[in-house]
Amino acid sequence: QSALTQPASVSGSPGQAITISCTGTSSDVGGYNFVSWYQQHPGKAPKLMIYEVSNRPSGVSNRFSGSTSGNTASLTISGLQAEDEADYYCSSYTSSTTLVFGGGTKLTVL
Amino acid sequence: QITLKESGPTLVKPTETLTLTCTFSGFSLNTRGVGVGWIRQPPGKALEWLALIYWDDDKRYCPSLKSRLTINKDTSKNLVVLTMTNMDPVDTATYYCAHRWGMAVFDYWGQGTLVTVSS
Repeated sequence: QSALTQPASVSGSPGQAITISCTGTSSDVGGYNFVSWYQQHPGKAPKLMIYEVSNRPSGVSNRFSGSTSGNTASLTISGLQAEDEADYYCSSYTSSTTLVFGGGTKLTVL
Repeated sequence: QITLKESGPTLVKPTETLTLTCTFSGFSLNTRGVGVGWIRQPPGKALEWLALIYWDDDKRYCPSLKSRLTINKDTSKNLVVLTMTNMDPVDTATYYCAHRWGMAVFDYWGQGTLVTVSS
C-alpha cells in the first residue's frame, strides 16, 4: 500500500483559513468514511484532531474541520493561530483491513 | 484515564531482532472493540503504521513489513509486544504504541521510544 499524498507544506497568516489535502484511492480514502487527522508538534506524540472524516474528539477546537470528496480528504483550520503551527498527518482504513498514513504536511503560521 | 508507555532497547545492531513492549492502563484488551497499534516515525520523516492487535487476538500488519513483524498481547499484564526481525539502519525511528478506537482511530498515544540501529 502506498502512503496517502499530502502537500509537504502549507502556510497562512493568523486569522486566515487553510486547507490540507490528503489524496488516496478508492481502496482507502475514497472507499471508507474512516479518515483521521493528527497534529504533531516537534518532539511530541501525535494528537487526534479529526476522526471518521469530520468528527472532532472532545476538547478539539471547532476551528478544525474535515471533509472528503472522491478520493481526497481535506482538513480545514479556520482562524489560524500560532499554536496551530505543527505537522499534520492524515490516515485511512484500507480495503486490505490495514491502515495507511499520509506523508505529512508542515503548517507554518506566518 | 488511558495511558500507554513504550519500552525496549534504545540501540540495536543490524540483523538483530527488536522487541518493544507497550504497557497500558485505563482500558482492557479483553473488551470488545479495543485494539492497540504500533506506529513508527524515522527522524524528520512521516508516520508509518506497523501493526495492530484486537481484543479477539486478530492481528493486522503493514504489508511491506509483514514478514518481519509479530504482535502479541498479554491481557493479564496489560501489555502488547512487537517484535521486528532483521533490523537495519533504515529502521531507526521513534516507535509509538497507541490505543485504537472505532475503525482506524488512534485516540491515545504513548510518548514514543527512539530506537537506533547501528553497529
